[in-house]
Amino acid sequence: RKEVEQDPGPFNVPEGATVAFNCTYSNSASQSFFWYRQDCRKEPKLLMSVYSSGNEDGRFTAQLNRASQYISLLIRDSKLSDSATYLCVVKTGNNRKLIWGLGTSLAVNP
Amino acid sequence: GAGVSQTPSNKVTEKGKYVELRCDPISGHTALYWYRQSLGQGPEFLIYFQGTGAADDSGLPNDRFFAVRPEGSVSTLKIQRTERGDSAVYLCASSPVGGGTDTQYFGPGTRLTVL
Repeated sequence: RKEVEQDPGPFNVPEGATVAFNCTYSNSASQSFFWYRQDCRKEPKLLMSVYSSGNEDGRFTAQLNRASQYISLLIRDSKLSDSATYLCVVKTGNNRKLIWGLGTSLAVNP
Repeated sequence: GAGVSQTPSNKVTEKGKYVELRCDPISGHTALYWYRQSLGQGPEFLIYFQGTGAADDSGLPNDRFFAVRPEGSVSTLKIQRTERGDSAVYLCASSPVGGGTDTQYFGPGTRLTVL
């Protein structure tokens, strides 16, 4: 079983739609959680960190459920510019390395 | 300010050759990371430096891969006797300290193609 699992998609949605991505992780000792965004042939960029209390940044909301070892990302009122791959990332304890999911591909259509 | 830079941006080589990939981290960042990303996959951790020393090299796939950071800034990833399976984008990232919540900033990557 992979340490971080995501539905690879692709998700094809119209502009203005709400879309949700899910991610599960296998190591219960994981302590830090992130969503990264990666555009085609570009490097990953941090979208947001994920906190136990949940956090929101504009149209983006991230949630963490430690009991279920589950992370989610909700995008509201999706824009064409949201088209990208969204990567779920986990860091365990004091371990510096990031463990990545395969990424979920999103295409927002006009 | 300047971000993480990597050179070359593209490298095409033949099977069996030796290659070096360079990473210039953000000035002042003590932690430096190398990842490898194959097509359709998420990045895969290779090695992490704190200062000049490799703090975790558990991701290096075999002894053909080696990385150095002699002065605690620029790092070079070295691959000997390249194989077709080494073809991937090699990503470098840096962070200020390397603590649990430090954001890692990525460079644009080096696309390595082994023919």
